[in-house]
Amino acid sequence: NAGVMQNPRHLVRRRGQEARLRCSPMKGHSHVYWYRQLPEEGLKFMVYLQKENIIDESGMPKERFSAEFPKEGPSILRIQQVVRGDSAAYFCASSSDPGAFFGQGTRLTVV
Amino acid sequence: GEDVEQSLFLSVREGDSSVINCTYTDSSSTYLYWYKQEPGAGLQLLTYIFSNMDMKQDQRLTVLLNKKDKHLSLRIADTQTGDSAIYFCAALSTGDDKIIFGKGTRLHILP
Repeated sequence: NAGVMQNPRHLVRRRGQEARLRCSPMKGHSHVYWYRQLPEEGLKFMVYLQKENIIDESGMPKERFSAEFPKEGPSILRIQQVVRGDSAAYFCASSSDPGAFFGQGTRLTVV
Repeated sequence: GEDVEQSLFLSVREGDSSVINCTYTDSSSTYLYWYKQEPGAGLQLLTYIFSNMDMKQDQRLTVLLNKKDKHLSLRIADTQTGDSAIYFCAALSTGDDKIIFGKGTRLHILP
């Protein structure tokens, strides 16, 4: 899982600010998942992307959250006007049949 | 959609075997996974099993799949203190390619 790079590892934002989380998949992987983990809970699926295309965003909140995976560069999960409830660990995974390999996560704290 | 359930806690004495159980609902799931998460870290893919297999062994790890009952288990032989972590069961939901996770089983090792 060392191949999936997420940054920053820790991010502190004040309420109302924007948070940008970046994920570079493993070399050769063209699909990326984003998951959110709340304290003492499992991982909740948010979005599944391939380059320049959102395949499934059924787990994304309808407002304030967006994700992209451009042709060049990392995948970005963007949270606008953050609220305290957005505080969580956000994990990215890149997929290669048969498994998905995770990054170390970004821990977002909203103060 | 797919739902994955697992017990939340397991305590095992050092040297004994640990068995972590999981059930899932989508009988057409093609791959089932076990991930390990240590405190403050990302998820490490431990092992996976394809749905046409009953068993897979990898060193101290044995995965058993009962497809009829939609039951998956992970056995860790000779449990060590380094095995203390949260273990997540996950299933690849066919059709939409989402990996759905259980809430995780926290494995506690007793001396």
